[in-house]
Amino acid sequence: DAGITQSPRHKVTETGTPVTLRCHQTENHRYMYWYRQDPGHGLRLIHYSYGVKDTDKGEVSDGYSVSRSKTEDFLLTLESATSSQTSVYFCAIRQTTGTDTYEQYFGPGTRLTVT
Amino acid sequence: AQSVTQLDSHVSVSEGTPVLLRCNYSSSYSPSLFWYVQHPNKGLQLLLKYTSAATLVKGINGFEAEFKKSETSFHLTKPSAHMSDAAEYFCVVRGSYNQGGKLIFGQGTELSVKP
Repeated sequence: DAGITQSPRHKVTETGTPVTLRCHQTENHRYMYWYRQDPGHGLRLIHYSYGVKDTDKGEVSDGYSVSRSKTEDFLLTLESATSSQTSVYFCAIRQTTGTDTYEQYFGPGTRLTVT
Repeated sequence: AQSVTQLDSHVSVSEGTPVLLRCNYSSSYSPSLFWYVQHPNKGLQLLLKYTSAATLVKGINGFEAEFKKSETSFHLTKPSAHMSDAAEYFCVVRGSYNQGGKLIFGQGTELSVKP
């Protein structure tokens, strides 16, 4: 257990509304990631952060923004939700203390439905 | 660019028989490779990782994988399947050095175990 929580765990929202998902970690890891999981695609990276206020885009970043004002929290915002953003969203951390072997540890996921 | 291909979208075995889940990778440098497992409606759990220390990697729950550079493969095996092994399995490679350590996922192999 890497001390990662996600909130909410489930959300149903309407097209066009803003949505913010929260990832919280308790172990002071520098790197945090947001992925989405869709059938037939595995997980795909949306955005990642390498420190407070330091973020970068992943391969499917269109329509998403992120913020990291504290080490422990990484927020994912859908500015105007669309049905194509219906998905399961996973947050992950990477442990870089000691030898960095690049594995990531995942939160429990948030199931988002956009109607 | 780094990528992984899981050769089977679905594998079905009988309890007590061997499991083989196939994965081929592409990488422009010595790769870091992982297998993750996802049980139904659960998060992702790291099964094992290859980081060039040894070509035969042992993981949790009796799983192991062998890194074969000549074949660009990283197949996952288990000598004897258990009902609790039924899940989706993802072969994963670390992205390029300038991509923040992101993980690139295969499309997944669903493992069914028959009694």
